[in-house]
Amino acid sequence: EPEVTQTPSHQVTQMGQEVILRCVPISNHLYFYWYRQILGQKVEFLVSFYNNEISEKSEIFDDQFSVERPDGSNFTLKIRSTKLEDSAMYFCASSLTSGTRGETQYFGPGTRLLVL
Amino acid sequence: GDSVTQMEGPVTLSEEAFLTINCTYTATGYPSLFWYVQYPGEGLQLLLKATKADDKGSNKGFEATYRKETTSFHLEKGSVQVSDSAVYFCALSDRGTDKLIFGTGTRLQVFP
Repeated sequence: EPEVTQTPSHQVTQMGQEVILRCVPISNHLYFYWYRQILGQKVEFLVSFYNNEISEKSEIFDDQFSVERPDGSNFTLKIRSTKLEDSAMYFCASSLTSGTRGETQYFGPGTRLLVL
Repeated sequence: GDSVTQMEGPVTLSEEAFLTINCTYTATGYPSLFWYVQYPGEGLQLLLKATKADDKGSNKGFEATYRKETTSFHLEKGSVQVSDSAVYFCALSDRGTDKLIFGTGTRLQVFP
């Protein structure tokens, strides 16, 4: 069964460093998402991406964050200058059509980011 | 704004017990409702969903009914198994937006 994959599974970085989290969505999906979960808190939406541009983003997704689909398979989340409060589990998701119609979003296993 | 409220965990049950995990929501429109499950070391998996009032979603013995009058989507299973031990997330997706809004998650522990 097709699945969303994410790398790395764990990432430790120093405050101020740049990190890139990678995701391979399900191959025929067109909509891509990033969410994060700070330990003990809710899963929060960060951004959605369609047709090579951001379609929606949350207040969390400020200028230090960016997303890219550099080729036909990868979808990346870049954090330019990490802060302690960026420590969280980051989930990538994809869906065949827009989530606005109640379409199922398929999630990857997550990348646990720890900023020291 | 839109929100989802779930019962606090952990929920601890013996095998074959009846399970209910409560979920209520607040939304401005007519959302779609979801239950996702996260097994240890894995990602979020869709368990079931319902896209309109009075719809019942069901999968693997779990079911939940979209109740517009009580703004609820409670998850139930008649007889839990040890393999059902996981964290369960209730979520909604309102019309006109891509994002899923999640509850805090409820950890279920089932003992033999």
